[in-house]
Amino acid sequence: GAGVSQTPSNKVTEKGKYVELRCDPISGHTALYWYRQSLGQGPEFLIYFQGTGAADDSGLPNDRFFAVRPEGSVSTLKIQRTERGDSAVYLCASSQDSKTYNEQFFGPGTRLTVL
Amino acid sequence: AQKITQTQPGMFVQEKEAVTLDCTYDTSDPSYGLFWYKQPSSGEMIFLIYQGSYDQQNATEGRYSLNFQKARKSANLVISASQLGDSAMYFCAMSGGSARQLTFGSGTQLTVLP
Repeated sequence: GAGVSQTPSNKVTEKGKYVELRCDPISGHTALYWYRQSLGQGPEFLIYFQGTGAADDSGLPNDRFFAVRPEGSVSTLKIQRTERGDSAVYLCASSQDSKTYNEQFFGPGTRLTVL
Repeated sequence: AQKITQTQPGMFVQEKEAVTLDCTYDTSDPSYGLFWYKQPSSGEMIFLIYQGSYDQQNATEGRYSLNFQKARKSANLVISASQLGDSAMYFCAMSGGSARQLTFGSGTQLTVLP
């Protein structure tokens, strides 16, 4: 495919519900990153994968957040027991190789609203 | 820890003029990369330019150039001949050392006036 794709583009849920956000990176990109962008702020790092493994999950805010990338391509960010403070745009990015300073290509984001 | 500071929440520039967006950074890593991204109101993050800490020359990409002053830890973005389509939020970011992820600043909202 062309660029990084993310689904859904918008997600509205109620406090306490479980949500899954999907990211489909550029084909062949081994590194995949998740960021969260709150209104009026820069993106904040959540987690990144090199292949199938989470190389760094230090940005996950708490244990309600979890992400997987079982086959080294598509990744799913999972949020349990959502809270109103989780409302933000969740951005996914991929790059060819995380070992060098390769450009990260961003998807359009998923706007999550927790009511 | 890495930190990016963008001190200009908003900037205005007349069409066809040049504009400089400020960015300072802080890191203890000797090897790092500096990036600029553009985010229009539609929300997508568009890569503009990259500068490596060991690069001797300032990076340039078309109308974009990065004024890299290593001793001052600054990486300002210069946009020449501004166009109306340049109106957007601009983010400075860095990665370095063991951290492959990007650390972003708070952004500068650029408005190009006709």
